[in-house]
Amino acid sequence: DAGVTQSPTHLIKTRGQQVTLRCSPKSGHDTVSWYQQALGQGPQFIFQYYEEEERQRGNFPDRFSGHQFPNYSSELNVNALLLGDSALYLCASSLGQVSNQPQHFGDGTRLSIL
Amino acid sequence: GQQVMQIPQYQHVQEGEDFTTYCNSSTTLSNIQWYKQRPGGHPVFLIQLVKSGEVKKQKRLTFQFGEAKKNSSLHITATQTTDVGTYFCAGHSTGAQKLVFGQGTRLTINP
Repeated sequence: DAGVTQSPTHLIKTRGQQVTLRCSPKSGHDTVSWYQQALGQGPQFIFQYYEEEERQRGNFPDRFSGHQFPNYSSELNVNALLLGDSALYLCASSLGQVSNQPQHFGDGTRLSIL
Repeated sequence: GQQVMQIPQYQHVQEGEDFTTYCNSSTTLSNIQWYKQRPGGHPVFLIQLVKSGEVKKQKRLTFQFGEAKKNSSLHITATQTTDVGTYFCAGHSTGAQKLVFGQGTRLTINP
């Protein structure tokens, strides 16, 4: 039973570039959420996707966008990268339309901006 | 917006001592979840509390949800080196999909 998988594991970009991160949810899960975790901080909610639609969004600028595919996998895109975007990006999957479900996290993508 | 605060930020104990972390939300929560993140790892779900005043136990871990559903605590009895990590609380405001995490309490243990 595969858990949440994310790719790539590490990525180095320069300011102004664009990046795409990918996530496959745990088998049987249909909801994907993305979080940004800065060093020494808790995960910050970016947005959540269900039925290929963005269901809710956190306090992140429009440079952060996403997509969910029919197979429930998801992508996070960040444009015009800033130094402050350096962080661990976590994908979490859960089941169903009802909120308040436990989040199953992947190992994350460590993004470094030079 | 909703904020979740945890104290202390760091806690160092001797193996065998007890440990408690406290979580407070600026808004009433529909539920509280607790996660553990080992160094270099990802958050792992521990438990969810839903009812006002609820208390749940997992072996040496005791979780409480406050009567007003705005605060929670995690208590570990007789810590072991395997308890090392950062403990996060996280909650949903009523009707919201957004899960808001506290900044975590990092537990280190002297064997």
